[in-house]
Formats: sequence, C-alpha cells, structure tokens
Amino acid sequence: EAQVTQNPRYLITVTGKKLTVTCSQNMNHEYMSWYRQDPGLGLRQIYYSMNVEVTDKGDVPEGYKVSRKEKRNFPLILESPSPNQTSLYFCASSSGTSGSLYEQYFGPGTRLTVT
Amino acid sequence: SQELEQSPQSLIVQEGKNLTINCTSSKTLYGLYWYKQKYGEGLIFLMMLQKGGEEKSHEKITAKLDEKKQQSSLHITASQPSHAGIYLCGADISSGGGADGLTFGKGTHLIIQP
Repeated sequence: EAQVTQNPRYLITVTGKKLTVTCSQNMNHEYMSWYRQDPGLGLRQIYYSMNVEVTDKGDVPEGYKVSRKEKRNFPLILESPSPNQTSLYFCASSSGTSGSLYEQYFGPGTRLTVT
Repeated sequence: SQELEQSPQSLIVQEGKNLTINCTSSKTLYGLYWYKQKYGEGLIFLMMLQKGGEEKSHEKITAKLDEKKQQSSLHITASQPSHAGIYLCGADISSGGGADGLTFGKGTHLIIQP
C-alpha cells in the first residue's frame, strides 16, 4: 500500500530535550516536505527536499533541522524544542521534483507537546 | 495578510443540503488542491485543478477553478454526515515552478446536522 508513515504519532517532551520525528514513504517520490498545523494559522511549510541531499527552508524553518540521506526518509529534528513548537506536524511526499503539479501524499500526523 | 483566503471559516449545514466553500488569492494559482481532514488526522486528497475554467467532480463533490486562476470553489451536493471535517485548499502561488511546495488556506470547518 502506498503510504507516508510518521513516528511517533504522539509525543510529549520537555523544553530542550532533542527529538527526532521520522518520516518514510514507499512510493519512490523525489519530493518530501514537512508542515506544521496550528489553530488559526493553518498549514505552514517548515522544510522541503527536492531530492536526496537537497533540502531548503520553507516558511517557518527556525528551530528545526532536516536531512535527506535516503530517498525514502526525511526526518525532522528539533535540537532544542521549545513550547512554541507544540503543534501537529505532517510529512508529505509527491512525485517529480516539484511540490506542486503533483498530488502530495500526507502522513497521519505527529502531535507534539513541549512542556 | 493571508495569501490564500478560505471562506467561510466554519459552516453548519443540515444533512441533504448543498454547500459551497471558496478559496481566493490575489495571486495566480498555478496548481490548486483540495484536501479533506478529519479532526487531528492526516489530509485526504480530493482533487487537483490546473487550468483556468477547469472543473472536476467525484461522487457528490465538484471543484472549479475560475478562468483567471485566482479563485476556486468546492461544492457538495446533498451533504451527508460523512462529509463533515475540515476542508483545506492548497496552491502553488510562487510562479509555477512549484519548488516551494504549497501554500494552504486556514481551512473550513464543516459540520453536518442530522
């Protein structure tokens, strides 16, 4: 089954404790992206990657890091999480090297709470 | 200001009634996507529109992109409880290159009353 998986689905952590949210897709997609969703703000892009070893900042990259060492994986790293990073996070992928013009497949989401 | 405006923000509709959700931008929409989201869950792809004047339908949902490619509407006919959720429009408003991914509206919360 074609899908984007994220782990963990739920995470409660404390300020400053490094964490990684994994994202994996099995569709051989070139393009992958991370979004955060907040009430009243909608979905905002954090980082995206057009291919292996190619990553770029989205609209709200501060406080986040990503890596793309393999085509299928695109982990999101929070080196020192803060409470303002409490949010619902989505990973997405699409075929081609563009974020648009192709359907983006979304993962199930990771609900992160930073206390 | 929000680059992609959705209206209304929330909508309560009696089961069986029709409804329309709008998505508007001052910029050209090079690729326009409609997604549905159950509360706290992932996004489900509904439809993608690219050409001015394009219209697509799936079951009881019809989406249109206007000729100027600055406005899209999502119309649901004879609404059912299964239509309840958050509807999001996303679009490439950069310049058609698409490398930046999609910009999303804030979503429309749809509630269907039995």
